[in-house]
Amino acid sequence: EAGVAQSPRYKIIEKRQSVAFWCNPISGHATLYWYQQILGQGPKLLIQFQNNGVVDDSQLPKDRFSAERLKGVDSTLKIQPAKLEDSAVYLCASSFGTGSGNTIYFGEGSWLTVV
Amino acid sequence: KQEVTQIPAALSVPEGENLVLNCSFTDSAIYNLQWFRQDPGKGLTSLLLIQSSQREQTSGRLNASLDKSSGRSTLYIAASQPGDSATYLCASGGYNKLIFGAGTRLAVHP
Repeated sequence: EAGVAQSPRYKIIEKRQSVAFWCNPISGHATLYWYQQILGQGPKLLIQFQNNGVVDDSQLPKDRFSAERLKGVDSTLKIQPAKLEDSAVYLCASSFGTGSGNTIYFGEGSWLTVV
Repeated sequence: KQEVTQIPAALSVPEGENLVLNCSFTDSAIYNLQWFRQDPGKGLTSLLLIQSSQREQTSGRLNASLDKSSGRSTLYIAASQPGDSATYLCASGGYNKLIFGAGTRLAVHP
C-alpha cells in the first residue's frame, strides 16, 4: 500500500517569497492533515480536512498560509509571504476517519528553510 | 489549553537495557493517548494508541500505560536495541485533534 506522498522534500527560499507544498494521501482516506514541526518541537496542527471541507484551521496563520483540498484527494499548502520563523518541516498526514482515535499515517515531510 | 510534556528530552542507554519514557498532560479530558516514533528526516509512525477507558496497550517489546487521573503516560521499552534509536513522541487525543509533546530522543548504543 502506498503511503502519504509529499513534494518537494526540501525547499530553500528567501523571506517574503512564496512556496507551495503538495500532498497525496493514502487512497480512501477521507481525512487529511497538515502539521508544522519546528526543530526540537512536536508537530502542531495547521489544518484538518474531512474530504474537501475544513474541520479545524484554528492554528493556521491565515494572513500568510492557505491550504486547499480540491476533489477531496490531493492537497496544497501555500505560504506567502514567508517569514524566517516559518522554517520548519511541513508534515502531511491522513487517516480513514476524522476522530483522533483513527490511525494516522504521516508522510516524510517537506523541509522548508527561509533565509 | 492542553499541554503535553515529555521527560527526559534525551536519553542514551547501552543495548539490552529496559527503559521508561514519560509523558504528562494537563487536561485529563482526553479521548486517547498515542505514542509515535520519528526517525531522523522521516515522518511519524504510530506505535500504540490507548483509549481513555484503557489502562495499557502492548505491542511486542513496547508497553504503554495511561493514568488519566494523574495526567501521565509511560512507554516501556524492553531489552532495548540499537534499532530502537529514534525520537519518541506522545500525543493526547481530543475529539478530532492530537496535541504532541516535543519528544524524547533515544540513543541505544551497542
